[in-house]
Amino acid sequence: AQSVSQHNHHVILSEAASLELGCNYSYGGTVNLFWYVQYPGQHLQLLLKYFSGDPLVKGIKGFEAEFIKSKFSFNLRKPSVQWSDTAEYFCAVNARNAGNMLTFGGGTRLMVKP
Amino acid sequence: EAGVAQSPRYKIIEKRQSVAFWCNPISGHATLYWYQQILGQGPKLLIQFQNNGVVDDSQLPKDRFSAERLKGVDSTLKIQPAKLEDSAVYLCASSRTGTYQETQYFGPGTRLLVL
Repeated sequence: AQSVSQHNHHVILSEAASLELGCNYSYGGTVNLFWYVQYPGQHLQLLLKYFSGDPLVKGIKGFEAEFIKSKFSFNLRKPSVQWSDTAEYFCAVNARNAGNMLTFGGGTRLMVKP
Repeated sequence: EAGVAQSPRYKIIEKRQSVAFWCNPISGHATLYWYQQILGQGPKLLIQFQNNGVVDDSQLPKDRFSAERLKGVDSTLKIQPAKLEDSAVYLCASSRTGTYQETQYFGPGTRLLVL
């Protein structure tokens, strides 16, 4: 079975700082990778996803993530955060032989100070 | 298009009581998922439906949890009897098909507190 770990539970940044949230997964086969975001008071929504091809994936709102297969990682980045990026971020994975069953990490709560 | 709808949004019950949650997926979505999200953790899949059939319920505590999707559209998740550790947010999600490349769209969740 696959598992996902997110190293940082809480991150506090000032506006314009750069962001990198770590995500590592454990699974020996081929996986699809996702980042979901939950803004305060809102539901989970997809930020970006990786299925195949270019390992650098660009998502909404200036976010990007890089899949490094050798490190089993899919870190999320943004060069300059805004106050509106305050949210909880979840990394998720599904294995290609497991249908669409998503396994989520524990989440990282990001607070951006204005 | 309308998103995934869930009700109620909040529920407070005492332990050993029963409770039911309702979900209406995005129109045309064949696959429906129920997740449990305990405070401080990521969502955990409880059950996945493809139309009105169960695809995966391996993580559903079947001694107290049940779910159905009789007509392949709406779904209900029931807990009977509830325990303190069932306090969590119950999320419903849907996708157009059940293939691994499909994006899952989440509803707002039902926040359950068991006292």
